[in-house]
Amino acid sequence: DAKTTQPPSMDCAEGRAANLPCNHSTISGNEYVYWYRQIHSQGPQYIIHGLKNNETNEMASLIITEDRKSSTLILPHATLRDTAVYYCIVRPLLNSGNTPLVFGKGTRLSVIA
Amino acid sequence: NAGVTQTPKFRVLKTGQSMTLLCAQDMNHEYMYWYRQDPGMGLRLIHYSVGEGTTAKGEVPDGYNVSRLKKQNFLLGLESAAPSQTSVYFCASSYLPGGSTDTQYFGPGTRLTVL
Repeated sequence: DAKTTQPPSMDCAEGRAANLPCNHSTISGNEYVYWYRQIHSQGPQYIIHGLKNNETNEMASLIITEDRKSSTLILPHATLRDTAVYYCIVRPLLNSGNTPLVFGKGTRLSVIA
Repeated sequence: NAGVTQTPKFRVLKTGQSMTLLCAQDMNHEYMYWYRQDPGMGLRLIHYSVGEGTTAKGEVPDGYNVSRLKKQNFLLGLESAAPSQTSVYFCASSYLPGGSTDTQYFGPGTRLTVL
């Protein structure tokens, strides 16, 4: 079972920031928050991960609450190409390969022109 | 650097036929995975491998077999295809030896239809 809860869908205007929330109230101390996305008909794509500090890379920013029970993925300037299903996943950073990613239903983000 | 590639991209089989899906990665990753994705659903793990010569069952292994004879390749076999195996199949790989993360990188998928 997925250990995260995400809204099923969201809309965002092109050029605006897209803020995708995720609840993970049962997260363990050694578990990281990972975000992937899947653009229609393509394989999932890794976006970012973090433990407790906020993280930023060329694709997005990840904000994790102090109690680590929730997080927000931020796409600072959403484009039409960011339309995809976004998955929030919690798991240890390195798990010897024997704990697969557990994909829930994710959030379907629609970026609107 | 091609990343993770999958062959073929599309395939149509008749019930009872067999086939092999090939996954190849050029990132020197230790771990490889096969997932399936049915319409409107998330990915489910079929089998995985934590190194050359090793394989293990995932969440939905029935009806599939795998082999990892070379580190860079992971084969998924269907011995007797059934309509319930109609799906999109994704391969992924992760983990560089000595690395600190097993972030998974996915291939483009194989769309299989069993009639």
